[in-house]
Amino acid sequence: EVQLVESGGGLVQPGGSLRLSCAASGFTFSSYSMSWVRQAPGKGLEWVSYISSSSSTIYYADSVKGRFTISRDNAKNSLYLQMNSLRDEDTAVYYCARAPSSGWYFVFGYWGQGTLVTVSS
Amino acid sequence: EIVLTQSPGTLSLSPGERATLSCRASQSVSSSYLAWYQQKPGQAPRLLIYGASSRATGIPDRFSGSGSGTDFTLTISRLEPEDFAVYYCQQYDSSHTWTFGQGTKVEIK
Repeated sequence: EVQLVESGGGLVQPGGSLRLSCAASGFTFSSYSMSWVRQAPGKGLEWVSYISSSSSTIYYADSVKGRFTISRDNAKNSLYLQMNSLRDEDTAVYYCARAPSSGWYFVFGYWGQGTLVTVSS
Repeated sequence: EIVLTQSPGTLSLSPGERATLSCRASQSVSSSYLAWYQQKPGQAPRLLIYGASSRATGIPDRFSGSGSGTDFTLTISRLEPEDFAVYYCQQYDSSHTWTFGQGTKVEIK
């Protein structure tokens, strides 16, 4: 069974940093690209970042470019999101997501339960 | 950037009724890259439809997707109590950006 478990969320002050993790199990992690998607309280979904299976290709939404860094450790079956210079508008539940099949990078078939990041003074 | 606009914002219907949800793109979207998700309160989204019209694994056949170019539709043929939720369309484009519509809430009338 595919499982994605996010962790690392919490309360942080504006300008601060936080590192999110996503532990993957139930599939060959190194074969799949991964993404982070977020959802502000009461709002819709927003794609944040994408990383290919080998980390060779990375994309970011304009709203986080230059502040967030996505990475992965295939040996540890883990995905990460380093978030720096956090702003109030980064407050959201952050989901890690995987394609339904290898190579289907354009759609999100599996999602974690999410971790809440709150940016507030 | 391609913007997806969903309508209506809220759809009030009774169980057993047919639901028709619209997703309009600001530019043409490849049908291969258009998907629909369902999200219930406190839960992660669930993939319903990919490639504009293909049902994801385990999705009942009362859910169907159609459309091409800039206009796409999600239809729920007969609403079951568990179908009342928020629905999002999503696209991927050649600028390597994934975008979602703002969502349509299907509520019990």
